[in-house]
Amino acid sequence: QKEVEQNSGPLSVPEGAIASLNCTYSDRGSQSFFWYRQYSGKSPELIMFIYSNGDKEDGRFTAQLNKASQYVSLLIRDSQPSDSATYLCAVKGSGAGSYQLTFGKGTKLSVIP
Amino acid sequence: EADIYQTPRYLVIGTGKKITLECSQTMGHDKMYWYQQDPGMELHLIHYSYGVNSTEKGDLSSESTVSRIRTEHFPLTLESARPSHTSQYLCASSEDLVRTGGDYGYTFGSGTRLTVV
Repeated sequence: QKEVEQNSGPLSVPEGAIASLNCTYSDRGSQSFFWYRQYSGKSPELIMFIYSNGDKEDGRFTAQLNKASQYVSLLIRDSQPSDSATYLCAVKGSGAGSYQLTFGKGTKLSVIP
Repeated sequence: EADIYQTPRYLVIGTGKKITLECSQTMGHDKMYWYQQDPGMELHLIHYSYGVNSTEKGDLSSESTVSRIRTEHFPLTLESARPSHTSQYLCASSEDLVRTGGDYGYTFGSGTRLTVV
């Protein structure tokens, strides 16, 4: 059973601070890693993907991957109230069913003005 | 701009009615998925398709059925709606990795919020 674990939160940070969201996964053969943002009542939207160990930056967002530790994180710099949402970590594994993403339960982020 | 469309956005329907939730995508993706999500809860995969005439049940048992007669169209049908079917239904699609040379995850539609009374 492939698992993706996230702290459900809520994670509260003040406006302008760095928000750090964490995710661990069980399938050591996982190849691709995604972060989705989901506003309340809306559908998930892709904000970052990462395939290789290390950091990947896109604007205020940085994804970090450590395959040895089976750990992926998302940093949001200069957090804004509009970043308040649930962030879903998703992992694409290996073997049978490898087309599918396994989603975590999500971390709810609240940015306080 | 959304390239995957779900209709209706909202639906309130009586118990016992047959309903079909529509999902269409214009991206030519061969893989499509249906998820069920209750408010504040996690996503549950209920059906998926890897191409025309290919459909499989997902991790969560569902009384719904799907069909994939055309690449772009992946409707979900409930033969007899019940209050326990009240939920948000999300459709998603993804592209063949060999063709794209990369992996860009899923694109989600805007969802259908179903209420069965």
